[in-house]
Amino acid sequence: EIVLTQSPGTLSFSPGERATLSCRASQSVSSDYLAWYQQKPGQAPRLLIYGTSTRATGIPDRFSGSGSETDFTLTITRLEPEDFAVYYCQQYGNPPEYIFGQGTKLEIK
Amino acid sequence: QVQLQESGPGLVNPSGTLSLTCAVSGDSISSGNWWSWVRQPPGKGLEWIGEIHHDAGTNYKPSLKSRVTISVDKSENQFSLTLSSVTAADTAMYYCARATTFRIDVWGQGTTVTVSS
Repeated sequence: EIVLTQSPGTLSFSPGERATLSCRASQSVSSDYLAWYQQKPGQAPRLLIYGTSTRATGIPDRFSGSGSETDFTLTITRLEPEDFAVYYCQQYGNPPEYIFGQGTKLEIK
Repeated sequence: QVQLQESGPGLVNPSGTLSLTCAVSGDSISSGNWWSWVRQPPGKGLEWIGEIHHDAGTNYKPSLKSRVTISVDKSENQFSLTLSSVTAADTAMYYCARATTFRIDVWGQGTTVTVSS
């Protein structure tokens, strides 16, 4: 089974800075199957990025995704106050199964 | 606008069966999408439980497969989750969601289920 590791568990930045979040897979995965979600306290997750780099509907262009094989990255340029949340990467595996990373909390420095 | 709404008991006895329903509006349960359940224990991350397609069957998380059933009610445009032999480890926020092309694009607001006597 594929394991997704997000490290570090917490990142601290100031508004306006650029944040880079990492997601590493235990084995090579298809870039078509890699997605990112944002979750704020008390809310359901929200799809940000799918297919490694395609922004979901309504997602600002300060969010971008990249990567391949085992290493994937979510980049947020010019952090806004509303961007401080927990971010999860997700892989769709074979046999069919959605696998999530353990999450990275983005906190205000 | 697609909306999903979970409903069901908030408290389940240990060793009992957890049953939740997700009402879908703005989309047809018979569309080409898959319909999923995801849970999140308090203070922890997301765990996918399983999914159903109206005519392509079901997929379940292997470690939960022996206890999980997901079904569809086309007439009510809803789908359901049953999880048997529950323990305190099954206490979580349960989300229903729509999945399309390897991603989950619409989520319900979630419902809290506590396993306790």
